[in-house]
This record gives sequence, structure tokens and C-alpha cells, in this order.
Amino acid sequence: EDKVVQSPLSLVVHEGDTVTLNCSYEVTNFRSLLWYKQEKKAPTFLFMLTSSGIEKKSGRLSSILDKKELFSILNITATQTGDSAIYLCAEETSGSRLTFGEGTQLTVNP
Amino acid sequence: SQTIHQWPATLVQPVGSPLSLECTVEGTSNPNLYWYRQAAGRGLQLLFYSVGIGQISSEVPQNLSASRPQDRQFILSSKKLLLSDSGFYLCAWSMDSNQPQHFGDGTRLSIL
Repeated sequence: EDKVVQSPLSLVVHEGDTVTLNCSYEVTNFRSLLWYKQEKKAPTFLFMLTSSGIEKKSGRLSSILDKKELFSILNITATQTGDSAIYLCAEETSGSRLTFGEGTQLTVNP
Repeated sequence: SQTIHQWPATLVQPVGSPLSLECTVEGTSNPNLYWYRQAAGRGLQLLFYSVGIGQISSEVPQNLSASRPQDRQFILSSKKLLLSDSGFYLCAWSMDSNQPQHFGDGTRLSIL
């Protein structure tokens, strides 16, 4: 089973800061790389990345994939307290299976 | 639009008791369905997935089983719960391999 490693495991910042979350993966049966945000219950979908070097943006969040170096980053600019959550990275492999990393616990203080 | 429902939201069960968690999807047909377990609020582990009625793939050996009696219904079961079965169980669906998975609100299971 491919392994997905996220860093840092936890991060505490102040409102307005910019954060970068990291995700590395193995390539055995790679199909896509996904990011989710989990606050209390259901992880909510953020991005799905399949092509290298193409940035995806949604408001203050953006993400990019590097298929040569086998990693992805999730950037959040001008953080707000509502961004506090666990951010999960997952690799999709053949058979539509997702292998998740351990997540990054982000805390944004006012 | 598609929605996914899981119930119950929380469950406290004694060791050795049976388990049945239900997940249903509305607004789509023939979805891929998944059961995950999340320990200590961290990464999710895939337990079972299904690409159609009666088709179940198990990812890890364990005390649990899954069934898909109807197209949009996915059930997670156990005959005798163990303490190690405690956790947060999430159901997810997707239309195909080029679409992201979407999660239900989960069931928090505590075994006493």
C-alpha cells in the first residue's frame, strides 16, 4: 500500500498569516492527489490534482502537484479562525482507493 | 444534488454486542461506496469499498463486514464487537475514479 506523509502534523498561527502544508506520496499506482478539510465531522473536498505544475485555486486556498518529486502543497493565505481544521491529503490509486496521510492540525488564533 | 446520510451519529456498545451502521446516498445511481475508520481524529483507513450491488472488497482483515443490499445502501456490520473497534466510521461515495469521494457525517462508536 502506498504511503502518504503529511507535514507538519500540527501548526499554530495567527490570523492573517500564510501557511503551507506539505504532502508526499509514493507512486506505485498513482491516479490523483486529493486535499480535504475536516472540522468536526465529514471531511469536505478541497482539491483534486492529477497534472503536475498546474495550480488549483479556490479563494484563499491553492494547491499544486509535483509528480517528479512526488509531493503536493496546500497554501492558505490571510488565514482566518474559520480555517482551523485538520487538513487531510490522500492519494488515489487504482480501483479508486484513497490512502490518507495522518493530517495536519491547523489552529488559527485571533 | 447528491446527499449522503449516515446513522446513527453516535453509538455506545458493550464488548461482544453486534453492530450495524447504515449509509445511504440520494440523488445518484450506481455510485462507488466506501467505509473508512478514523482513529484519534487523524488519517482515514479504508475498510471496504463497493462498485455495485453485492460487490464488496475488503482492504484489511478485521472483525467487521460490509454489505450492499441495494444500489445506494451500504451497511457495516459486526457479529461481536471488540474494544479495538472503537473509532469514527465514515461512509463515502463517488461516481467514478475521476471524481472525488464525498463523505457522510460519520458515526462515533465507543465500545465499553
